[in-house]
Amino acid sequence: NAGVMQNPRHLVRRRGQEARLRCSPMKGHSHVYWYRQLPEEGLKFMVYLQKENIIDESGMPKERFSAEFPKEGPSILRIQQVVRGDSAAYFCASSPGLAGGLTDTQYFGPGTRLTVL
Amino acid sequence: AQKVTQAQTEISVVEKEDVTLDCVYETRDTTYYLFWYKQPPSGELVFLIRRNSFDEQNEISGRYSWNFQKSTSSFNFTITASQVVDSAVYFCALSEAPMNRDDKIIFGKGTRLHILP
Repeated sequence: NAGVMQNPRHLVRRRGQEARLRCSPMKGHSHVYWYRQLPEEGLKFMVYLQKENIIDESGMPKERFSAEFPKEGPSILRIQQVVRGDSAAYFCASSPGLAGGLTDTQYFGPGTRLTVL
Repeated sequence: AQKVTQAQTEISVVEKEDVTLDCVYETRDTTYYLFWYKQPPSGELVFLIRRNSFDEQNEISGRYSWNFQKSTSSFNFTITASQVVDSAVYFCALSEAPMNRDDKIIFGKGTRLHILP
């Protein structure tokens, strides 16, 4: 049973380019979370998605960042017109979404390390 | 508001010594979950433990043990007979549940642990 997959593992972009980060949740998981880890910092929540729905995007910067989790395929975190301050590790986590609103354990992917030159 | 504080930024101990990593949290909810994650130099996040707020029993897993004290809002982590492979950044984290459908995890800033041979 494969874990959470993220690709690419490393991504280098020049200022102004677009970055697309992909996350395939664990099999059977319908909830996806994206977190950002700036250098020497803890992880910070960005967005929580279920299939075709954004549930909470309170941690997403208001501009240039967007996320989706389509009915088919991986979740995508998209950063337009990247700037140096976007350099960070971006982690995706998934959970099965148990009935009743109980918090599930989130399983994290290996992360994508984005470097903006 | 939820908050997780890991006051120890960096700790160094000699191999085979015991070490305790402190974690203090703040939440207004009576129901919540606490976590510890390990981030080795390779960068991935390794889930160590999840504890719900109703279960104050201490937990032991091999050389790892956790002390949950609701009265002091602390969830400390002890490594007994430390080994060089324990060198990593350790994150304490909090999630509020169960009726809140937003299960985002709030992370502390992490404690970097160096085990010296």
